[in-house]
Amino acid sequence: RKEVEQDPGPFNVPEGATVAFNCTYSNSASQSFFWYRQDCRKEPKLLMSVYSSGNEDGRFTAQLNRASQYISLLIRDSKLSDSATYLCVVSSLTGGATNKLIFGTGTLLAVQP
Amino acid sequence: DAGITQSPRHKVTETGTPVTLRCHQTENHRYMYWYRQDPGHGLRLIHYSYGVKDTDKGEVSDGYSVSRSKTEDFLLTLESATSSQTSVYFCAISGGSGNIQYFGAGTRLSVL
Repeated sequence: RKEVEQDPGPFNVPEGATVAFNCTYSNSASQSFFWYRQDCRKEPKLLMSVYSSGNEDGRFTAQLNRASQYISLLIRDSKLSDSATYLCVVSSLTGGATNKLIFGTGTLLAVQP
Repeated sequence: DAGITQSPRHKVTETGTPVTLRCHQTENHRYMYWYRQDPGHGLRLIHYSYGVKDTDKGEVSDGYSVSRSKTEDFLLTLESATSSQTSVYFCAISGGSGNIQYFGAGTRLSVL
């Protein structure tokens, strides 16, 4: 089983739609959670951190459920420019004292005009 | 944008040749990482560094070595490139372990 699992998609949605991505992780000791965005043939970029209480940044809302080891990202009022791959990222303390980040394989979003 | 520069951006090489990729940062961050990204696998950690001359292996380190002689530079070497090392390689930096990582633009490597 992968440490971080995401639905690969693609999610094809019309402009203005609301879309939700889910992610599950296997390491209950994980402490940090993020969503990254990666445009085609570009580097991953931080979209937002995910906090236990849930957090919002404009049209984007992230939720964390530690009991179910589940992270979500909600995008409201989708724009064409939201088309990208969204990576779920979880920290993992794998021996030693260094937390590493484990990246999901990503969910592809295509917003249609 | 974080000050991270990867070079070269593209490289085509032949099987069996040595290849060195460079990552240069201007942020004075302690941690530096090398990942490879392949379809269906996502980003996989090759090696990372937690200080000058301090490095450790990631999950896919076989066939790769690294060096960090200065805070700002982290080199990834393929001693004898193989076709299975054809990939996109990303360097990342962070101020602390488990913290947000910032990525360079990537190097597309083709081994023929």
